[in-house]
Amino acid sequence: EPEVTQTPSHQVTQMGQEVILRCVPISNHLYFYWYRQILGQKVEFLVSFYNNEISEKSEIFDDQFSVERPDGSNFTLKIRSTKLEDSAMYFCASSEGLGQSPYEQYFGPGTRLTVT
Amino acid sequence: QKEVEQNSGPLSVPEGAIASLNCTYSDRGSQSFFWYRQYSGKSPELIMFIYSNGDKEDGRFTAQLNKASQYVSLLIRDSQPSDSATYLCAGARGGSNYKLTFGKGTLLTVNP
Repeated sequence: EPEVTQTPSHQVTQMGQEVILRCVPISNHLYFYWYRQILGQKVEFLVSFYNNEISEKSEIFDDQFSVERPDGSNFTLKIRSTKLEDSAMYFCASSEGLGQSPYEQYFGPGTRLTVT
Repeated sequence: QKEVEQNSGPLSVPEGAIASLNCTYSDRGSQSFFWYRQYSGKSPELIMFIYSNGDKEDGRFTAQLNKASQYVSLLIRDSQPSDSATYLCAGARGGSNYKLTFGKGTLLTVNP
């Protein structure tokens, strides 16, 4: 069964450093998302991406964050200068956007980001 | 602020019983609702989705939606210890991006 994959599973970085989290969405999906979950808290939407551009972003997704689809398979989240409060689990998700199951989002296993 | 509210639990049921999980939402523009299961330290796993008022059944799971009351529920019949997890309710407005707004989740424990 197709699944969303994410790398790395765990990333440790120092405050102020740049990190890139990588995702490979399900191959026929058209919509891509990043969410984050701080330990013990709810899953929060960061950004949605369609047709090579951001379709919506939350107030969390400030100028320190960016997303890119550098090729036909990868979808990346970059944090330019990490802060301690960026420590969280980051989930990538994708959905078909059409057909019989347009809205259902399938999540990857996540990348645990630890900022020290 | 558009919120999805869930009782955090824990909800404890014996094996074989029916577990009932509830969710309310404040955004009347929400059109579709999703139930995810999340084991500790893992990612959300989609269980069910519902777009229309009424009931939707899939195996041991039944989702119920009442848009007038802004209420969504998930029933798990014949609960198994492997169903023990946090259940997340999420709503989406639809439109071009379908971003999900999640509740905090309800921790379900099924006792053997």
